[in-house]
Order: sequence, then C-alpha cells, then structure tokens
Amino acid sequence: KQEVTQIPAALSVPEGENLVLNCSFTDSAIYNLQWFRQDPGKGLTSLLLIQSSQREQTSGRLNASLDKSSGRSTLYIAASQPGDSATYLCAGRISSGSARQLTFGSGTQLTVLP
Amino acid sequence: NAGVTQTPKFQVLKTGQSMTLQCAQDMNHNSMYWYRQDPGMGLRLIYYSASEGTTDKGEVPNGYNVSRLNKREFSLRLESAAPSQTSVYFCASSEHTGGYEQYFGPGTRLTVT
Repeated sequence: KQEVTQIPAALSVPEGENLVLNCSFTDSAIYNLQWFRQDPGKGLTSLLLIQSSQREQTSGRLNASLDKSSGRSTLYIAASQPGDSATYLCAGRISSGSARQLTFGSGTQLTVLP
Repeated sequence: NAGVTQTPKFQVLKTGQSMTLQCAQDMNHNSMYWYRQDPGMGLRLIYYSASEGTTDKGEVPNGYNVSRLNKREFSLRLESAAPSQTSVYFCASSEHTGGYEQYFGPGTRLTVT
C-alpha cells in the first residue's frame, strides 16, 4: 500500500526566503504526483501535477520535482511571501489498480513571516 | 464557472441521525470523489464514481453510501451518524479517473455529538 509522508509538519520562514517542501512515497511505481495548497477552513487548490515521465514541473514561483528511484518529490517556492502561508499537501498515484487513486500526505503547514 | 460546490458548509448531528451531503460540479467531468480529512491523517477516499451510473468503494467506505445522481451531482449519505464520522468532507472531480488532475470543493465540516 502506498504511503506518503511529509516532513516537517510545520515550517516557519522569513519573507523573501527560498524554501523546499518535501514529500516521500513508498511505492516507486508511481504514476504521477500532485501538489495542493489548502488555506485554513478551505478546500484544496491544485498547484502542480507532475507525471512519472517528467522530472520537473514549473508554475510561476513554484517548481516541483519527482525522483521515482529515491521515492521523493520536492516543491520549491522561490522568494516566499506572506500570502504563501498555507498547508501544502502532496498526493501520489501508483501505476497499478483500475482507478489509480490518490494517496495523500498529512501536509506541511507553512508560515511566511513578514 | 463555480467549479465544485458542496452543501452544507457546516452541520452538527446527534449520534444515530442521518444526513446527505451534496456535491455538484460544472466542469463536465466524468469522475467524482468523496474524501474525509482528519487531523494528522491526510485525506482518505471514501467512495468514488468513475462515470455516471457507477460507484466504487475507496479506502474508508464503512458507514457511508453514495449516489451518482447524474453527471453533475454526487451525494454522500450517512445513514446513522457516529462520533467517529466527525470530520471535514471534501468532494472532488476530474475529467476521468487515473492520472487526471482533481479539483476540490470547499468542504463540509461535520460534527457528530
């Protein structure tokens, strides 16, 4: 069974800093991995979807990487801003199974201090 | 486009009561999902519907039933609520199952006393 882990559970950084959020998964037969942002009391907003055939995916100040062999994905946030404060969740799909359902990590709560 | 909408936003139930959570999407997606989110446990899939007319169990289906009313709407029913079902419930949709990006609704915060 695929397990997805995100460490640390919480992170606090000063504004302007570049930062990396980590996501590890146990099943290297991963089909793709999706990063989400969740604001307090809100739903999930999809940030990036990275396929197993890709190594990186970029959107604005965000860059996600995927390394199947090491079982890791990272989300890089450049020049962080207070508005980036939120919980970031990663979720992976394994290749087997008819529906390739998402398995979520517990998230990293990011606080960017002004 | 409203995306994925859910009603109600908040609900308090007594143990043993029943209720239905409603979800609708306007993106013409084929697949829809129900998740629950509990502190420290991430989101877990309850049920999903790959296409209109089909439903399948996810990781934690016990105590729930679902109905795919039409392509737009997917409801989740708690027949006899228990305190263990206190959670935040999210509905999501995607173009198809498999590797497609999922889009989430704002959630329903349910408390069972």
